[in-house]
Amino acid sequence: DIQMTQSPSSLSASVGDRVTITCRASQSISFYLNWYQQKPGKAPHLLIYGASSLQSGVPSRFSGSGSGTDFTLTINRLQPEDFATYYCQQSHSIPLTFGGGTKVNIK
Amino acid sequence: QVQLQESGPGLVKPSRTLSLTCTVSGDISSGSYWWSWLRQAAGERLEWIGRVDASGSTNYNPSLESRVTIGADTSKNQLSLKLASVTAADTALYFCAREEFIVFRGVIIEKFDLWGQGTPVTVSS
Repeated sequence: DIQMTQSPSSLSASVGDRVTITCRASQSISFYLNWYQQKPGKAPHLLIYGASSLQSGVPSRFSGSGSGTDFTLTINRLQPEDFATYYCQQSHSIPLTFGGGTKVNIK
Repeated sequence: QVQLQESGPGLVKPSRTLSLTCTVSGDISSGSYWWSWLRQAAGERLEWIGRVDASGSTNYNPSLESRVTIGADTSKNQLSLKLASVTAADTALYFCAREEFIVFRGVIIEKFDLWGQGTPVTVSS
């Protein structure tokens, strides 16, 4: 299985801040990497696919980069509705696997 | 807008079989989609259980494959999940999700673009 490791596991930020979350794959996955946002008790919501493409309807303050084993999710100008947990997910190989999540808290 | 809704018993006894249904408000045979089941134990990461396409082809997570059966009923636009011999470790929030396959940079990639709200399942006597 491809292991997905996210860092940090949590962070505190203020509205208007820029936030960066990293995700590392245990082997190269090219650009087969998706990012999701999840709020408590709710289903995940797709933000980024193919490592860097913005899903339709997602605000442009979200962006993704990276390829191979190292990936980044950036949120510019953090908004109140962005406080949530973020997960990366690889779609390179079965079984599909997710990172451990990064919880973005209000400072 | 297509919607997914999971349903099934919220409580299952140990060693029994967990059975869930996902009803899709659209034609599961149309488009380039597979249909997945995932779960998330409290405070844990998401775990992919397996997937099915409209023809009935399946892929499973090897860690669960010996206990899992996923099916698709195109006449009812429903997906099913059966997980046998459950234990407390199977207690989780279970999701069904649509997996879209698209051509991206000359290759086919996949993404979970639509999710159900999830249904909680507790394994306890």
